[in-house]
Amino acid sequence: EIVMTQSPATLSVSPGERATLSCRASQSVSNNLAWYQQKPGQAPRLLISGASTRATGIPANFSGSGSGTEFTLTISSLQSEDFAVYYCQQYNNWPYTFGQGTRLEIK
Amino acid sequence: QVQLQESGPGLVKPSETLSLTCTVSAGSIGIFYWSWIRQPPGKGLEWIGYVYYSGSTNYNPSLKSRATISVDKPKNQFSLKLSSVTAADTAVYYCARFQGAFDPWGQGALVTVSS
Repeated sequence: EIVMTQSPATLSVSPGERATLSCRASQSVSNNLAWYQQKPGQAPRLLISGASTRATGIPANFSGSGSGTEFTLTISSLQSEDFAVYYCQQYNNWPYTFGQGTRLEIK
Repeated sequence: QVQLQESGPGLVKPSETLSLTCTVSAGSIGIFYWSWIRQPPGKGLEWIGYVYYSGSTNYNPSLKSRATISVDKPKNQFSLKLSSVTAADTAVYYCARFQGAFDPWGQGALVTVSS
């Protein structure tokens, strides 16, 4: 099973600033990597697939990069609605696995 | 836009079978993969498995063959059965369309395992 490790566990950032979230895979997942946003009481929402392709309706201030084992989600100019938990997920190998999440909180 | 909705009992007794159904609306269940994912309270996400519209399936080995996912094309639904449940199976269960990534998701159904 591929283990996905996200860092940091919690990230405190001020509104208007940039947030950088990391995700590392225990072995290469090529670019078969997705990012999700989850707010309290809601289902996760797909932000990025293919490591860097924004999903429909996702604003341009969300961007993904990386391949192989190292990936980054960058959120530029944070808005109040962006504070949530973010998960990465690999779909290169069964079983598909998620990271443990990064909680993005207001500083 | 495709929408998914989970339904089923919110309380299941230990050792019994958990059963959930996901209804797909505003779109056909055909030619896609459909998945179940769960999230224990306050914890992360675990992929349970998927079913293809043809009926072929794939499961997470961590569930030790307790999971069965099936599709009902005429009803535009797919279902999850999880046998021999314990308190560790208490979670919010989500259904989702799988196209590499999971999108969209249902709103989730909380299932509590308790006597």
